[in-house]
Amino acid sequence: GAVVSQHPSWVICKSGTSVKIECRSLDFQATTMFWYRQFPKQSLMLMATSNEGSKATYEQGVEKDKFLINHASLTLSTLTVTSAHPEDSSFYICSARGQGLRTSGANVLTFGAGSRLTVL
Amino acid sequence: AQSVTQPDIHITVSEGASLELRCNYSYGATPYLFWYVQSPGQGLQLLLKYFSGDTLVQGIKGFEAEFKRSQSSFNLRKPSVHWSDAAEYFCAVGTGTASKLTFGTGTRLQVTL
Repeated sequence: GAVVSQHPSWVICKSGTSVKIECRSLDFQATTMFWYRQFPKQSLMLMATSNEGSKATYEQGVEKDKFLINHASLTLSTLTVTSAHPEDSSFYICSARGQGLRTSGANVLTFGAGSRLTVL
Repeated sequence: AQSVTQPDIHITVSEGASLELRCNYSYGATPYLFWYVQSPGQGLQLLLKYFSGDTLVQGIKGFEAEFKRSQSSFNLRKPSVHWSDAAEYFCAVGTGTASKLTFGTGTRLQVTL
């Protein structure tokens, strides 16, 4: 079945540094990828939608200059947290919608295992 | 805009007992509905989905859910819970073409032996 790989699974960084998280579709081409943020014991909040070869669409309230999303190929999207601060510490999850994964006209998403970011 | 409500934050059941997790949604059109399970520190695994057709859908791991349009509900059920079912369960509603999902706040399931 469809598999999405996220890397790194966890990362610790110092305040002020930038961190890149990768999301790869391993056995399908992901035309669209979604990035979510999950605070402890809370639900997933959609941050942005990225389509291959175009700029990401950010949800209201998400700083596009802080959370840089790049979707340069059909199998890779990256989320870069720039100048990270402790309040950016969270669990980030990507999901991918691919070609050939339709069911009854709708698209099924495949989720990565998530990346836990801790900013000291 | 769509929304999802999971009224139960935390549920505890004994192993072998039946389970029902509640989910209510708000969406103007016919919804696409999903149930996902998340183990600690992990991503989400799709349990089942409803797009159209039979309102009782079967999923993996013995789970099923019933779509009731009149009640705007999509409750998840399992006849006999196993200790390995302990996890966080999320109900979600999606818009078909965009695949943007709106998640509920989740229900944490604890299973006692």
